[in-house]
Amino acid sequence: AQKVTQAQTEISVVEKEDVTLDCVYETRDTTYYLFWYKQPPSGELVFLIRRNSFDEQNEISGRYSWNFQKSTSSFNFTITASQVVDSAVYFCALSEADSGYALNFGKGTSLLVTP
Amino acid sequence: DAGITQSPRYKITETGRQVTLMCHQTWSHSYMFWYRQDLGHGLRLIYYSAAADITDKGEVPDGYVVSRSKTENFPLTLESATRSQTSVYFCASSGLQGITEAFFGQGTRLTVV
Repeated sequence: AQKVTQAQTEISVVEKEDVTLDCVYETRDTTYYLFWYKQPPSGELVFLIRRNSFDEQNEISGRYSWNFQKSTSSFNFTITASQVVDSAVYFCALSEADSGYALNFGKGTSLLVTP
Repeated sequence: DAGITQSPRYKITETGRQVTLMCHQTWSHSYMFWYRQDLGHGLRLIYYSAAADITDKGEVPDGYVVSRSKTENFPLTLESATRSQTSVYFCASSGLQGITEAFFGQGTRLTVV
C-alpha cells in the first residue's frame, strides 16, 4: 500500500503564482519523519526539509513554506511567487520504525513554472 | 572530493549479463541505500545497509545483490540483467537512517537491451 500519496502528478503555473504541493502520508508509528526533496531537470536529488512527528510547527525558508498537520496526516509544501527555476519534480517521503526508517517516497509532483 | 559518488553514470548492457553499479561516500555515514527511479513509480528502495556487513531488503530486491565490506562502499549487482531493470539507480547515505536527511549520488542510468 502506498504510504505517501502525492495526488498531483503534474502542476503548471505561471511565474509569480503561488503553488501548493500536497502530501498525505499513512503510518501507525507515533515517531516518524517527513521529508521533501527536489529533483530539477538535471536529475540530482536535493534535500529541502525534514520534520519529525513531534514538531508540528510550520516552517518557512525564503519563498518555501511547509505545513505539517498530524490531524490530516498531511505535509504540504508551498512555493510563494514561483520562479522558472522552481521547475522540478518534488518528492515527499516518510521514514518510520515500521519499515526500518528507510525513506519511503511518494511518486512525485512535476512542477512546471512558465514565464 | 567529499560526498557521494556513483559510477558509472551511464551504462548499457545486454540481457543476461552481470553488471555492478558502484557507490562510494566519504562522510563515514552508517547508512547507505539503493533506490531505483522509474516513471510513475517515484523512487523505490532496493536494499539498504545499516553498517558494514549488515544489509537488508527494501521494497524491490529481486534480481539484485548488495554487499558492504567497507563502510564507504555499497555496490549493487544485477546478477542477470533483465529489461525490466532498465532504470535510473540512486545511491544515498545518511548518518542516522530516516532521522537525518539522506544525501544522494548523481544517479546511474542503466539500459538493458
